[in-house]
Amino acid sequence: EIVLTQSPGTLSLSPGERATLSCMASQTIANNYLAWYRQKPGQAPRLLIYGAARRATGIPDRFSGSGSGTDFTLTISGLEPEDFAVYYCQQYGSSPRTFGQGTKLEIK
Amino acid sequence: QVQLQETGPGLVKPSETLSLNCTVSGGSVSSHYWSWIRQPPGKGLEWIGYISYSGSTSYNPSLKSRVTISLDTSKNQFSLKLSSVTAVDTAVYYCGSNPHEGVWTYWGQGTLVTVSS
Repeated sequence: EIVLTQSPGTLSLSPGERATLSCMASQTIANNYLAWYRQKPGQAPRLLIYGAARRATGIPDRFSGSGSGTDFTLTISGLEPEDFAVYYCQQYGSSPRTFGQGTKLEIK
Repeated sequence: QVQLQETGPGLVKPSETLSLNCTVSGGSVSSHYWSWIRQPPGKGLEWIGYISYSGSTSYNPSLKSRVTISLDTSKNQFSLKLSSVTAVDTAVYYCGSNPHEGVWTYWGQGTLVTVSS
């Protein structure tokens, strides 16, 4: 099973700033099958990025994903109020599908 | 636009079987991949398993001995059964889907299932 470790656990930033979230895998993720989700309180997660760098339908271009192998990054340029939430990375290169423990992005 | 809705009991007794349904609208269970994911209160996400449009399944090994996911094409829904539940199975259970297996574009709103006597 691939273990995903996200850092930092909590990130405190102000609206308009740039956020950089990290996801490190315990082994290489096949085909860079790495996704990112945003989860607001009381809501289901929303798919942001898949295939490490492809934005899902309807996701604004302030969200970008990068990385390969075991190291992946989600960058959010110009934070909007709705971006303050919890972010999860998830791998689907092997079974079982696994998630990181989450990064909480909070307003500074 | 595919929409999903989970239904089922919100309270299950220890050692009993948790049963949930996910009703699909705006799409057909005869296409796409259909999954269950859960989230204990205040914690992270755990993939439970999926069933494909053709009926093939894959389960998380940590739950495999207790999980069954099935399709009901006549009702356009899919179901989760988790047997021999304990308090650690208390969670919000989400159903999810996508044209391609592995990620989830469409999600239900989630349903909280509490395991308690």
